Amino acid sequence: NAGVMQNPRHLVRRRGQEARLRCSPMKGHSHVYWYRQLPEEGLKFMVYLQKENIIDESGMPKERFSAEFPKEGPSILRIQQVVRGDSAAYFCASSLRDRGYTEAFFGQGTRLTVV
Amino acid sequence: AQKITQTQPGMFVQEKEAVTLDCTYDTSDQSYGLFWYKQPSSGEMIFLIYQGSYDEQNATEGRYSLNFQKARKSANLVISASQLGDSAMYFCAMREDQTGANNLFFGTGTRLTVIP
Repeated sequence: NAGVMQNPRHLVRRRGQEARLRCSPMKGHSHVYWYRQLPEEGLKFMVYLQKENIIDESGMPKERFSAEFPKEGPSILRIQQVVRGDSAAYFCASSLRDRGYTEAFFGQGTRLTVV
Repeated sequence: AQKITQTQPGMFVQEKEAVTLDCTYDTSDQSYGLFWYKQPSSGEMIFLIYQGSYDEQNATEGRYSLNFQKARKSANLVISASQLGDSAMYFCAMREDQTGANNLFFGTGTRLTVIP
């Protein structure tokens, strides 16, 4: 049973380009969360999605960032016109339930470097 | 106020000894969950152990146990018989069930180094 799959593992973008990060949740999990980890810091929540719905995007920057979780295919976190400050590790997690989940499994993360 | 506080930026432990990593939390919810994750130098986040706020017994998973003291709002991770492979960052996290948010709140982590 495959875990949470994220790709790419590493992504280098020049300032102003777009970054597209993909996440496939664990089989049977329909709840997906994106987190960002800046160097030497803990993870910070960005957005929570279910299939075809954004449930909570309170942690997302208002501009340039968007997320989706289509009916078919992986969840996508899109960052437009990247800037140096977007350099971070981006993690995706999935859970079986929404309320009261006792396990949340993370992918291996995508390390974005903006040059 | 920080929801999760980890006051130990770094800890050292001798191989085969036990070590306690501290975590205190702040919530007004009656129902919540506490998680510990390990992040080795390779960067992935590995789920270790979970404790629910209504669980009366301390959670245990192999060499990991969670010392849950509800009145003190602490959820310390105890690693017994440390191994070199335990050297990593450790993060404490909390899920709140009544505020409407469904995400995890993370602490800043503790870097554990196991000395041979």
